[in-house]
Order: sequence, then structure tokens, then C-alpha cells
Amino acid sequence: DVVMTQSPLSLPVTLGQPASISCRSSQSLVHSDGNTYLSWFLQRPGQSPRRLIYRVSNRDSGVPDRFTGSGSGTDFTLNISRVEAEDVGVYYCMQGTHWPPWTFGQGTKVEIK
Amino acid sequence: EVQLVESGGGLVQPGGSLRLSCAASGFTLSSYWMHWVRQAPGKGLMWVAHMKSDGTITTYADSVKGRFTISRDNAKNTLYLQMNSLRADDTAVYYCSGRGFDLWGQGTLVIVSS
Repeated sequence: DVVMTQSPLSLPVTLGQPASISCRSSQSLVHSDGNTYLSWFLQRPGQSPRRLIYRVSNRDSGVPDRFTGSGSGTDFTLNISRVEAEDVGVYYCMQGTHWPPWTFGQGTKVEIK
Repeated sequence: EVQLVESGGGLVQPGGSLRLSCAASGFTLSSYWMHWVRQAPGKGLMWVAHMKSDGTITTYADSVKGRFTISRDNAKNTLYLQMNSLRADDTAVYYCSGRGFDLWGQGTLVIVSS
């Protein structure tokens, strides 16, 4: 199984400041079809997860452009350019290249300082 | 409105069974790969099971293989998860998800305890 490792696991941020979350996979996530199936999700407190980014860098509909996904191979990053109060929650990366199983990172808890 | 609504959770004794339902509205469930994902209390997300859109392929996490069965009723536009031989470590909120994990339900809580 592909192991997804996120860092940091806790990220206190100041409103208006940037934030960055790293996600590393135990093997390359490049699929034989040429795509890289790496997604990012945000789970706000008491809510279901919501997909923010798919295939490394594609923002979902309605996701603010302050969220940017990047990376390749085994190394991926989610950047938030200016953190807002509504960005608080737990962020997960997930790979869908080598399934089953689909595997998630441990989660990164973002909170306001 | 496009949505998924889970139901069927509850308290069950170890060794018991439960069937979860996930009713889809606003889209045809059988057009998409569908998944069940669970989250134990205070823990992260764990993928549980998947069904391919044409229903020909189902896959399971090793921890539930042989105990859980994913199925679908196209007429009711509903996805199911039959859970047998339940254990305490199956206690979690169970979410159904589809459209490449773009859509998620609100989750249903399963508690396995005596």
C-alpha cells in the first residue's frame, strides 16, 4: 500500500499570513495514463470532508484561488496564500493512483494563532 | 440539488450486523465510482470500499474484507454497505463519497459496543 505522510501535523497560522502543508508518498503517484491522482481535502470542525484540489493542482468549483496545489512524483504541497478564518480545520492529502486501497495522509490541523 | 444522504448507523453489539444506506439525489449514482470512507472518533480518514460505475468491480480495505459488502440498487439510486461480524474497531462515522471524492454525504455513526 502507498503510505502518505503529511507535515506538519499541526499548523498554527496568523490570519492573512501564508501557510504550507507537505504531503509525501511512499512511491511515485504518476499513473500509467500519465495523470497523477493526488487530491487535497479540508474537513472543517463537525463537517464532512470537502475536496479542494484534484490531480495535484486543479481547484474544485467554488474553491478560492488562495489555495494552490503543486508537486510531482512523490512530493506535493498545498499552499494557502493568505489564511482566512474559514480555512480552519484538518487538511488531508489522498492518492488514487495505486488502488486499492485509496490512502489518505494523517491530516494536518490548521488553527489560528 | 446534488447530494448524498447516509442512514442506518447506530449502536450494535460486537459480532452483530448493520446495513448502511446512501441515497443519491440530483445525479445517477450508477454513473460514477462510489466509495465508503470511515473516520474513527478523533482519527483520520480511512477508505473502506469501492464499487465501479458499471458494478463489475468492488474492492475493500484489508481490515473489512470478508466482513463488509458494498452493493447498489439502481432503481432506488442508493448505495449500501452491509457490515457483518462487527468489531469495536469498526466504530466510526461512515461516509459515502462519489464523483472522484467530489461529493460526500453527512456521515452516519456506527458504534460497536456491548
